[in-house]
Amino acid sequence: NAGVTQTPKFRILKIGQSMTLQCAQDMNHNYMYWYRQDPGMGLKLIYYSVGAGITDKGEVPNGYNVSRSTTEDFPLRLELAAPSQTSVYFCASSYLQTLEQYFGPGTRLTVT
Amino acid sequence: QKEVEQDPGPLSVPEGAIVSLNCTYSNSAFQYFMWYRQYSRKGPELLMYTYSSGNKEDGRFTAQVDKSSKYISLFIRDSQPSDSATYLCAITNTGNQFYFGTGTSLTVIP
Repeated sequence: NAGVTQTPKFRILKIGQSMTLQCAQDMNHNYMYWYRQDPGMGLKLIYYSVGAGITDKGEVPNGYNVSRSTTEDFPLRLELAAPSQTSVYFCASSYLQTLEQYFGPGTRLTVT
Repeated sequence: QKEVEQDPGPLSVPEGAIVSLNCTYSNSAFQYFMWYRQYSRKGPELLMYTYSSGNKEDGRFTAQVDKSSKYISLFIRDSQPSDSATYLCAITNTGNQFYFGTGTSLTVIP
């Protein structure tokens, strides 16, 4: 049981490039979340999904897109990367609407 | 106004001390309150959660919620060097949108 996995661990992007952050969970969780964590700013919710085919915006969705075609996977797409998107990105999942979110190890993204 | 505010610290205590970590929140509609622990370069892990007002204890950890003053606390008894981490409070009303504090960095000195 791997839990929540994220790839890549690190990435450097140039301004204007695009990339997809991968997230997968093997716990059969319905709910999945994407957060970003900036120094001194705490975790901010970008998008979340309550099940395959259903996604909704969080607190800071601008500049990002998501899709959820399967229960296991919840990729986060960055189009036209900007320096303001330099951050650590965490994916999380939970079973139904419980409060116990399981977090992945994070992806450290730098946009220069 | 931020949904939740947390003193960033840092906090440094000797081993065995009692630690008090605190957050305040703005909207009385929030019903669920959580504490996460995050070690350096790792994802957060849930320590405890409480619903509405009151205390909840789990081993050396006690979570306390005072809804009248919109104040939540985490107490750590007999603190250990392994407790050195960043502690994040979080709140939610629906279980969909979660709001996190900025985190308090704790160091327990042996």
